[in-house]
Amino acid sequence: QSVLTQPPSVSAASGQKVTISCSGSSSNIGNNYVSWYQQLPGTAPKLLIYENNERPSGIPDRFSGSKSGTSATLGITGLQTGDEADYYCGSWDSSLSAVVFGGGTKLTVL
Amino acid sequence: EVQLVESGGGLVQPGGSLRLSCAVSGFTFSSYAMSWVRQPPGKGLEWVSLISGSAYTTHYADSVKGRFTISRDNSKNTLYLQMNSLRAEDTAIYYCAKDRVVQGVIMHYFDYWGHGTLVTVSS
Repeated sequence: QSVLTQPPSVSAASGQKVTISCSGSSSNIGNNYVSWYQQLPGTAPKLLIYENNERPSGIPDRFSGSKSGTSATLGITGLQTGDEADYYCGSWDSSLSAVVFGGGTKLTVL
Repeated sequence: EVQLVESGGGLVQPGGSLRLSCAVSGFTFSSYAMSWVRQPPGKGLEWVSLISGSAYTTHYADSVKGRFTISRDNSKNTLYLQMNSLRAEDTAIYYCAKDRVVQGVIMHYFDYWGHGTLVTVSS
């Protein structure tokens, strides 16, 4: 059971927009930054969003992040088949003194 | 170019030990915290342990506390994970990951990852 809660799967048509939610508590998301990672099949995770809504260089602006209270959201617009991957949210948990991840969300582009 | 290369994985019997290594290049290793993150086959990510750049601070997931030890040799640009009393549930791909540090503060997110090394605990 993951500390952060994500939907197991989401799907949307090519070219459309999708959002992935990540729910936590005051000890993690509520008082710490949220990051998002993309894991393409058979590869290592890649940083997609950091500090709630910042994109590393090279990440297209089709990817966006937001945070409100103890929840965060990853948004992807203009969906492409190459976006099919597992997406994970992460945060520091001040009570556990640990990095915590969501269980992951599998994105299917129809 | 930043590179992180893990090694040391393999098959080990329950109760056994293994030491993983992560050789890094492309950045000033001693200035950054590093973490180990694992992923059981077909499952999600689980953070395992973190060590600060100076090795003064370490943190562990409850699931490995007392069994695993993280360390680093800044002269060799290498991160280690000593794993003892291994259990079947420790079976996973183990990734080393570079933690982002901003003005000396560990940010607890990972901007570079290695390709991982597979650890299988089975009799």
